[in-house]
Amino acid sequence: GDSVTQMEGPVTLSEEAFLTINCTYTATGYPSLFWYVQYPGEGLQLLLKATKADDKGSNKGFEATYRKETTSFHLEKGSVQVSDSAVYFCALSAMFSGGYNKLIFGAGTRLAVHP
Amino acid sequence: DADVTQTPRNRITKTGKRIMLECSQTKGHDRMYWYRQDPGLGLRLIYYSFDVKDINKGEISDGYSVSRQAQAKFSLSLESAIPNQTALYFCATSGVSSFGADTQYFGPGTRLTVL
Repeated sequence: GDSVTQMEGPVTLSEEAFLTINCTYTATGYPSLFWYVQYPGEGLQLLLKATKADDKGSNKGFEATYRKETTSFHLEKGSVQVSDSAVYFCALSAMFSGGYNKLIFGAGTRLAVHP
Repeated sequence: DADVTQTPRNRITKTGKRIMLECSQTKGHDRMYWYRQDPGLGLRLIYYSFDVKDINKGEISDGYSVSRQAQAKFSLSLESAIPNQTALYFCATSGVSSFGADTQYFGPGTRLTVL
């Protein structure tokens, strides 16, 4: 079945460091891909998405490119801030009967950024 | 005001008790979801509803039931709580947004502990 695998955390970085969080997926068909972020004590917020191969999603300095050939959707940011400390979830949208989509999540990667 | 609200935010209960978690939304979305989050497992879908008369089981529905009282309200019940239902529970809604169709929006979560 469809699944998402992302790198285990925690990822610990100094402020202004470069961030990469790896995400790979297994899916039939052509899913949409998402990154969600969960700040401490809050629900999940959609960070960015891409709907087809070679699309780049971007938001708040974060980017991810939909790579069909490597089935990957790695999250990157050029210069992280302390306020980026959170748990990041990669997800794909899978079609099921009735023509509706459901989200399948990875396990989440905790990012801690230190001053 | 938050678009998706959940009550209670925290709950401690005992094995065998009946518990209801409530979710309300002001986004006008038809689709609503209940997920549970466990460390290292990401989010898993419990139930979903595409309108008031359409309720479906997700991947881990055993031990849970739901009620869609109105378009804006979707409740999750644990008929007889057990310790392995201790988790963080999220409600979500989905509809068209600036991110595109069927974007999911999450509530702040309910932390449930079953002793």
